Amino acid sequence: GESVGLHLPTLSVQEGDNSIINCAYSNSASDYFIWYKQESGKGPQFIIDIRSNMDKRQGQRVTVLLNKTVKHLSLQIAATQPGDSAVYFCAEINSGGGADGLTFGKGTHLIIQP
Amino acid sequence: EPEVTQTPSHQVTQMGQEVILRCVPISNHLYFYWYRQILGQKVEFLVSFYNNEISEKSEIFDDQFSVERPDGSNFTLKIRSTKLEDSAMYFCASSWAINEKLFFGSGTQLSVL
Repeated sequence: GESVGLHLPTLSVQEGDNSIINCAYSNSASDYFIWYKQESGKGPQFIIDIRSNMDKRQGQRVTVLLNKTVKHLSLQIAATQPGDSAVYFCAEINSGGGADGLTFGKGTHLIIQP
Repeated sequence: EPEVTQTPSHQVTQMGQEVILRCVPISNHLYFYWYRQILGQKVEFLVSFYNNEISEKSEIFDDQFSVERPDGSNFTLKIRSTKLEDSAMYFCASSWAINEKLFFGSGTQLSVL
């Protein structure tokens, strides 16, 4: 079946460096993508989203890139801080599909080294 | 900032017992969801709810599960006869429109013994 998946389960970066978390999706009907951050013992927290009519969107210290040709999504976090340590999930929605919300990928654990 | 709230944060129950997990979605949201996350695994869709009825449900959401919006603010998930494999973190979420971004609560950790 079609699914959303992540390339790396764990990513370790030095504090202050930039990090890039990647995500591959296979459902070509997906047209809306969201990155969530999940800290230990907490629920997924919205970070940034992007629709399929865009290829880049920027927030505060975060940038999401969408490459529809290869069905790839990435989250860039600039100048990482200790508070960025968390599991990051990409999630997709097919806006023309049913009301089953999001399909989540498995998650990448980002570790910020001091 | 409005947020989704869930109670209790932890629930321990004996196998075969009924549990009710409670959620208060964001007040102007119209779509409500339950997801679950087994330890170390990805977040899985259970059910969505709109206009006082179930919109979609997954294979996980069998006859042991039910949802209800008993009043204008609460949204509940009931598991009639809990099994060991129901042990997971259960997240409630809400969105203002279909297929728009979901906002999640902090979850209820359910442990079935």
